[in-house]
Amino acid sequence: AQSVAQPEDQVNVAEGNPLTVKCTYSVSGNPYLFWYVQYPNRGLQFLLKYITGDNLVKGSYGFEAEFNKSQTSFHLKKPSALVSDSALYFCAVRNLDSNYQLIWGAGTKLIIKP
Amino acid sequence: DTAVSQTPKYLVTQMGNDKSIKCEQNLGHDTMYWYKQDSKKFLKIMFSYNNKELIINETVPNRFSPKSPDKAHLNLHINSLELGDSAVYFCASSQAGQVAEQYFGPGTRLTVT
Repeated sequence: AQSVAQPEDQVNVAEGNPLTVKCTYSVSGNPYLFWYVQYPNRGLQFLLKYITGDNLVKGSYGFEAEFNKSQTSFHLKKPSALVSDSALYFCAVRNLDSNYQLIWGAGTKLIIKP
Repeated sequence: DTAVSQTPKYLVTQMGNDKSIKCEQNLGHDTMYWYKQDSKKFLKIMFSYNNKELIINETVPNRFSPKSPDKAHLNLHINSLELGDSAVYFCASSQAGQVAEQYFGPGTRLTVT
């Protein structure tokens, strides 16, 4: 079965430090992977996606994600965290078995401390 | 201009009532979606719809029904509301195709008492 896992419910990072939010996936075939961010009381916003090509994908707000096929991972990263990055982050993968709907991770709460 | 809008933002109602949530997108997208986000923030796809096909998540009760008067609108009707329907409902839209990202509305917080 196709799935996405975000192994950390919460990640705490000091402002200015690098951050990583982890995501692993299990799909048959080529994965199409996405990261979204949800600020409190808001809808989800698209950050970036991996379709093919360069394993390092750059997205909005200075975020990037690294696709690793051998480890089936797509970790979200940022070199220097801001307090305003505090939010809920979702990883998703295209479900090739079900009319291409997205399979969503459970979300990781990112807390950036001043 | 708001890309994906939903009304109302908050909806408080009693068990057994019937209610609707409206969604509109001005992005010219072909596909629209309804999601349910529960109190633990889990996202569950309920429906996806384009002008050709309605795809229903088989776990969604038939009390929920999407209605699309045109390509830019996908409304959600809920009959006989239950306590367990309390959640935040998000509408989203995307271009057709496997690699298109989705754009979300601000959400409707439904509380059933």
